[in-house]
Amino acid sequence: EIVLTQSPATLSLSPGERATLSCRASQTVNSDLTWYQQKPGQAPRLLIYDASDRATGIPARFSGGGSGTDFTLTISSLEPEDFAVYYCQLRSKWQWTFGQGTKVE
Amino acid sequence: EVQLVQSGAEVKKPGESLKMSCKGSGYSFSTYWIGWVRQMPGKGPEWMGIIYPGDSDTKYSPSFEGQVTMSADMSISTAYLQWNSLKTSDTAIYYCARLRSEYWYFDFWGRGTLVTVSS
Repeated sequence: EIVLTQSPATLSLSPGERATLSCRASQTVNSDLTWYQQKPGQAPRLLIYDASDRATGIPARFSGGGSGTDFTLTISSLEPEDFAVYYCQLRSKWQWTFGQGTKVE
Repeated sequence: EVQLVQSGAEVKKPGESLKMSCKGSGYSFSTYWIGWVRQMPGKGPEWMGIIYPGDSDTKYSPSFEGQVTMSADMSISTAYLQWNSLKTSDTAIYYCARLRSEYWYFDFWGRGTLVTVSS
């Protein structure tokens, strides 16, 4: 079973700053790596799929990258609405795994 | 517009059964996998399994196999998640989500169904 480890657990930043979130897989994976944003009381929202492709309607300040075991989500300049919890998710064979999340506060 | 509408919140006692629903609209329901995701209070999401409404093929997470049953009725564009005997540890929000099989991600999510199991 692949384990996804996200770091840091909490990222304390101010609006306008750059956020870099990490997601590390316990073994080398393909690029079926997805990022979601979740705000309190809401369902997760798709941000990035295939490691680096932005979903429809996602602002260009969100970008994803990485390969192998190390992936990143970057928010180039935080807007007030970006303060939330971010999860990475991976599919391996017929199993899906989520990371434990990074809270951007 | 793609929508997944989930059934309402439930309050149950340990040992009771439950069947929740997820109704899809705005797309061809039978041709997309539907996934179920658990989120316990204050925790991250956990993948439970997926079902293909077209033929009711299912894939379960080992953590949930035997604990829940997924089903679907494509004639009414609805997927179901059911328990025969709830435990207090089943208290959580349960989300259904549509799976895009090109890159295996969940693109549209329901709002979730809160299940509270308490004696």
